Amino acid sequence: AQRVTQPEKLLSVFKGAPVELKCNYSYSGSPELFWYVQYSRQRLQLLLRHISRESIKGFTADLNKGETSFHLKKPFAQEEDSAMYYCALISVGSARQLTFGSGTQLTVLP
Amino acid sequence: KAGVTQTPRYLIKTRGQQVTLSCSPISGHRSVSWYQQTPGQGLQFLFEYFSETQRNKGNFPGRFSGRQFSNSRSEMNVSTLELGDSALYLCASRSASGGKAGELFFGEGSRLTVL
Repeated sequence: AQRVTQPEKLLSVFKGAPVELKCNYSYSGSPELFWYVQYSRQRLQLLLRHISRESIKGFTADLNKGETSFHLKKPFAQEEDSAMYYCALISVGSARQLTFGSGTQLTVLP
Repeated sequence: KAGVTQTPRYLIKTRGQQVTLSCSPISGHRSVSWYQQTPGQGLQFLFEYFSETQRNKGNFPGRFSGRQFSNSRSEMNVSTLELGDSALYLCASRSASGGKAGELFFGEGSRLTVL
């Protein structure tokens, strides 16, 4: 069974400080991983996917298969980064089921 | 393209009643998923429908059910409401194929309060 774990429910950092949101997964196959974000009063939306190897709003995430992790990082946090972040994994089979972690509420303090 | 639309946005029910929530996916999306979001439990998967068939199912009691119509619109129903069912219910649609399968498009949600 696939599982996504986000160990931190709450995370606070000061503006300008680096931020890392942790995500660990359990999956028997080759995973596809994503980060979703929900800003206050906005819809939950896709932030980035590991396949694209992209940087979105200064955020990057590297898939580490050895540590089964997909941590989200940003070198200099901004107040507008305050949001709920969800890590997600999609199964490879025909059903392509998406499994979300429990989320991390990030607060960037001024 | 219009986004995912959910109705109603807010509703208040009492214990024992039932509720039906509606979701219209993005045009062309054949997959619709439902999630329950609460502060304590986060985002929990209810079920997914694809071409009118339930394809995946989360770990919720049988009081929670859903269906999808031929135009891909979906409804979910909760019967015999309990206080713990108070939550934001999110609907999401996706292309469900190839490289786009992981990209869900969410609605604004239906906030259910059970008194």
